[in-house]
Amino acid sequence: QSALTQPASVSGSPGQSVTISCTGTSNDVGAYNYVSWYQQHPGKAPKLMIYDVSNRPSGVSNRFSGSKSANTASLTISGLQAEDEADYYCSSYSSYSYVVFGGGTKLTVL
Amino acid sequence: QVQLVQSGAEVKKPGASVKVSCKASGYTFTNYAITWVRQAPGQGLEWMGWVSAYNGNTNYVQKFQGRVTMTTDTSTSTAYMELRSLGSDDTAVYYCARIASPVGATPSHFDYWGQGTLVTVSS
Repeated sequence: QSALTQPASVSGSPGQSVTISCTGTSNDVGAYNYVSWYQQHPGKAPKLMIYDVSNRPSGVSNRFSGSKSANTASLTISGLQAEDEADYYCSSYSSYSYVVFGGGTKLTVL
Repeated sequence: QVQLVQSGAEVKKPGASVKVSCKASGYTFTNYAITWVRQAPGQGLEWMGWVSAYNGNTNYVQKFQGRVTMTTDTSTSTAYMELRSLGSDDTAVYYCARIASPVGATPSHFDYWGQGTLVTVSS
């Protein structure tokens, strides 16, 4: 299965909002509401931030939100903070009970 | 609290095998599946497959079929991932994670992760 497509990098200043896109196909993102987003700081394990397109796990800031339209999902981070600087990965359930990840996006807080 | 604790770093020669363990605690092990994800140095996440702790059913990415075996030991609440015929491109950090969906449901997301195990393949 092919990886989902994410921008390599995005940036924003503290307090601003940024949106990271995640483009798949009609076999994954477009077919299922099972898109999730993970945050990964250097040298650390990924952390679940959003699941099932727009749900936040307990303990995740409400500055993080998710959405989906057709084959593209998006993660929006509002009120950027220095601690948000990290790599972000989207993933989606896909055909044949597979899970596919995006290539990752490096968020820089200026 | 839910914890997944993985075994330590490994150094292997090309052609060898490696077996990584992932010990779970803080929840009923057999109610969930475990997935394995790897990350090559400086690269993104790559999903490898999953194993049900309920019945041992597995689903492997085609790329790894025939070379990977994922198992669980319910007596010790431990999952294992064995990868054979290692090559230099298998050098990566290997993560286990709990699939948040209950047994039998769609494996939609991974809510708890191990700390990762670095496997280095070098002659």
